[in-house]
Amino acid sequence: ETGVTQTPRHLVMGMTNKKSLKCEQHLGHNAMYWYKQSAKKPLELMFVYNFKEQTENNSVPSRFSPECPNSSHLFLHLHTLQPEDSALYLCASSPSSTGVGYTFGSGTRLTVV
Amino acid sequence: AQTVTQSQPEMSVQEAETVTLSCTYDTSESDYYLFWYKQPPSRQMILVIRQEAYKQQNATENRFSVNFQKAAKSFSLKISDSQLGDAAMYFCAYTKMGSNYKLTFGKGTLLTVNP
Repeated sequence: ETGVTQTPRHLVMGMTNKKSLKCEQHLGHNAMYWYKQSAKKPLELMFVYNFKEQTENNSVPSRFSPECPNSSHLFLHLHTLQPEDSALYLCASSPSSTGVGYTFGSGTRLTVV
Repeated sequence: AQTVTQSQPEMSVQEAETVTLSCTYDTSESDYYLFWYKQPPSRQMILVIRQEAYKQQNATENRFSVNFQKAAKSFSLKISDSQLGDAAMYFCAYTKMGSNYKLTFGKGTLLTVNP
């Protein structure tokens, strides 16, 4: 346990379903991130939140909708997904300084059928 | 845009031996940080080591050390006395200072440790 908790660990959903991924940290970090990890590809940054405000949206399709109600919690709401959205979704957090790196969660393995 | 390249998709090493994983990056910045992350089958990304670009001294963490060549934009990871628990995907990552906290990752190198 690293201090960043992601739930659920696995998720299978149909293309017409709506589901949410949850990320929680109690490390006192101010920044939180969603990354997508697909096979044979580098990790792709999706969203960045800093002090609850979204500061980066890396051209992510609108079927992915993030929410950050406070600095400790981050959600990724999913709807009308495509099979190519199947991947490992990683949440991370960090202090305000960029230099210390991230603390990652264990990820949610998403399969869209 | 910054890019990070890991040219070795897979590497293997005998237990107790030494292995070096390669990483190069492209940036026009002078102030930045570099990282190596480890991702075992448990999927947990774990920070192995970090390097500040303004420091000439190579970072070291126990059996892990880096060879940071700023002019060549190279950042290799050396694992000494390899252990079975070192088997994992290793990712090199870069962030520039004041970059909205974004890390750019390479594609990773899968390290196998043979007993």
